[in-house]
Amino acid sequence: ETGVTQSPTHLIKTRGQQVTLRCSSQSGHNTVSWYQQALGQGPQFIFQYYREEENGRGNFPPRFSGLQFPNYSSELNVNALELDDSALYLCASSLGQGGQYFGPGTRLTVL
Amino acid sequence: QQQVKQSPQSLIVQKGGISIINCAYENTAFDYFPWYQQFPGKGPALLIAIRPDVSEKKEGRFTISFNKSAKQFSLHIMDSQPGDSATYFCAARDSGGGADGLTFGKGTHLIIQP
Repeated sequence: ETGVTQSPTHLIKTRGQQVTLRCSSQSGHNTVSWYQQALGQGPQFIFQYYREEENGRGNFPPRFSGLQFPNYSSELNVNALELDDSALYLCASSLGQGGQYFGPGTRLTVL
Repeated sequence: QQQVKQSPQSLIVQKGGISIINCAYENTAFDYFPWYQQFPGKGPALLIAIRPDVSEKKEGRFTISFNKSAKQFSLHIMDSQPGDSATYFCAARDSGGGADGLTFGKGTHLIIQP
């Protein structure tokens, strides 16, 4: 059984740029959730995808968007990057309302 | 508004002792309460979870105690080991809200002294 994988591991961008982060869900899982974890804080829910549609969003602006593909993998896109977007971005997969299993994350630094 | 409050912020326990981390929530619609363990540079790992229809759940050295009336739940780590040194997060979810987004506490940095 393959766990949740994320790419890239680290990323450095400058303010105003756009970034795409990728996530492959755990085998058999059909739901993907994205979280932002600032240094020293708990993860904050960005949004969730189920059957290729967004079915819930946390308190994040529209410049945070995503996609889910037929194989349940997912992308997180962030436009017009701001310095405060620097964080660890975590993807979690689940099956229905089961437990959410996290990937290792992508560390994004915005300069 | 912080919906899940976690304490203490940091905790030092001697090897073999019991580590206790507490969380309190406000949203009575929450119906699933997991605990996660996170090591530096890694993603959170699901440790144990409980639903409000039971008051306690035990898995190995980890136990969740749940008090629905007080809207509190806690994690107990028995026979704490140096390898348990990590940051622990409690979380909660409202499964009836459509999306299964977790609301996390701010974390507890646990150090087990040998």
